[in-house]
Amino acid sequence: GAVVSQHPSRVICKSGTSVKIECRSLDFQATTMFWYRQFPKQSLMLMATSNEGSKATYEQGVEKDKFLINHASLTLSTLTVTSAHPEDSSFYICSASSNEQFFGPGTRLTVL
Amino acid sequence: GENVEQHPSTLSVQEGDSAVIKCTYSDSASNYFPWYKQELGKGPQLIIDIRSNVGEKKDQRIAVTLNKTAKHFSLHITETQPEDSAVYFCAASTRITGNMLTFGGGTRLMVKP
Repeated sequence: GAVVSQHPSRVICKSGTSVKIECRSLDFQATTMFWYRQFPKQSLMLMATSNEGSKATYEQGVEKDKFLINHASLTLSTLTVTSAHPEDSSFYICSASSNEQFFGPGTRLTVL
Repeated sequence: GENVEQHPSTLSVQEGDSAVIKCTYSDSASNYFPWYKQELGKGPQLIIDIRSNVGEKKDQRIAVTLNKTAKHFSLHITETQPEDSAVYFCAASTRITGNMLTFGGGTRLMVKP
């Protein structure tokens, strides 16, 4: 149990385009979903916390207009990186929580 | 806010030896301490956790100890195997439900056959 999926697993895009990443809890309802970013050989950095049906809470330094989060249901949250630039290239990981946090497999974003 | 420090950043052991990773936290209100294993290119996987009302927890070759007074907790892996090689993260949280985790910096464990 407690399976979290992410799609896509890997995406390459041109600078200036937008990319949407989906996070789904497959076998449980997640009251809260979290989005993290991880640069090579570094720890996970929390970007935002989202609860179903309400606006996401962003961590300091994370631009809410650049990283759009939608949490439309208890099993789905999406992160859209708008007008992506090479410095946005990173490993994006979501987690879903009803009690403990369970992590998705991550999405590798490369912006050319 | 919470600050979690993790040591060592890298750890190399011989297969069959034990490995110990230590973390300290700053917020005395933290009451939930999970450990995650992350393999290359994958998301973190919960391997064991401990709550503040328990001092030690064991699951086969993995054990975690918690010292609330000193605000530190440790991961112990016995009889290490090459497949234990990965990056391990400790974390701390002040809430169990819908918890917001603060992660340590990670430990790259290499088990040499």
